[in-house]
Amino acid sequence: GAGVSQSPSNKVTEKGKDVELRCDPISGHTALYWYRQSLGQGLEFLIYFQGNSAPDKSGLPSDRFSAERTGGSVSTLTIQRTQQEDSAVYLCASSLSGGFPTDTQYFGPGTRLTVL
Amino acid sequence: GDSVTQMEGPVTLSEEAFLTINCTYTATGYPSLFWYVQYPGEGLQLLLKATKADDKGSNKGFEATYRKETTSFHLEKGSVQVSDSAVYFCALILRSGAGSYQLTFGKGTKLSVIP
Repeated sequence: GAGVSQSPSNKVTEKGKDVELRCDPISGHTALYWYRQSLGQGLEFLIYFQGNSAPDKSGLPSDRFSAERTGGSVSTLTIQRTQQEDSAVYLCASSLSGGFPTDTQYFGPGTRLTVL
Repeated sequence: GDSVTQMEGPVTLSEEAFLTINCTYTATGYPSLFWYVQYPGEGLQLLLKATKADDKGSNKGFEATYRKETTSFHLEKGSVQVSDSAVYFCALILRSGAGSYQLTFGKGTKLSVIP
């Protein structure tokens, strides 16, 4: 596609419910990243995919967070039993290979999650 | 750990003023450095980057030079426009222990340019 797309753009949920956030990377990009942007923490890395594998999950804040990627393309970030501190904008990015520090990461518009 | 420190905002300038947004970094290796920009209601966009010492990144009239001796990557523009109003993020990228090239961001600097 022309760019990274994410859905939904906004999600409001009640505390304790599960949510799924979707990311469609740029076609042909093998590397995919999830970041979170919150008022208190700024922009922070969550997880990295190379193809369908996730070699770096070091940024996931708790075991309530998980992610998968299928077909080397679409990725879903799942948050179980949401808490109010999960409220943030969740950003997805993709890059061509992920294997070089010079690879540019292209970001999607984000999903704004609000947990009531 | 690796970190990026950029000047606190918000910054308010008149149109055609000179802009500097300071950015310094701490890293154990030799990172690539980036400036990303987030316009109101839009996603993060890469503004410019530099991958080694003394490199200068430039785009849309913005410039930043990778200074290894001062571990800095300050963003400058000679004459800002109202359309430059946005939040600017300085970032570095290094290979993590788990093998990924993840971005580490500064907290962002909000720039408002008034006519």
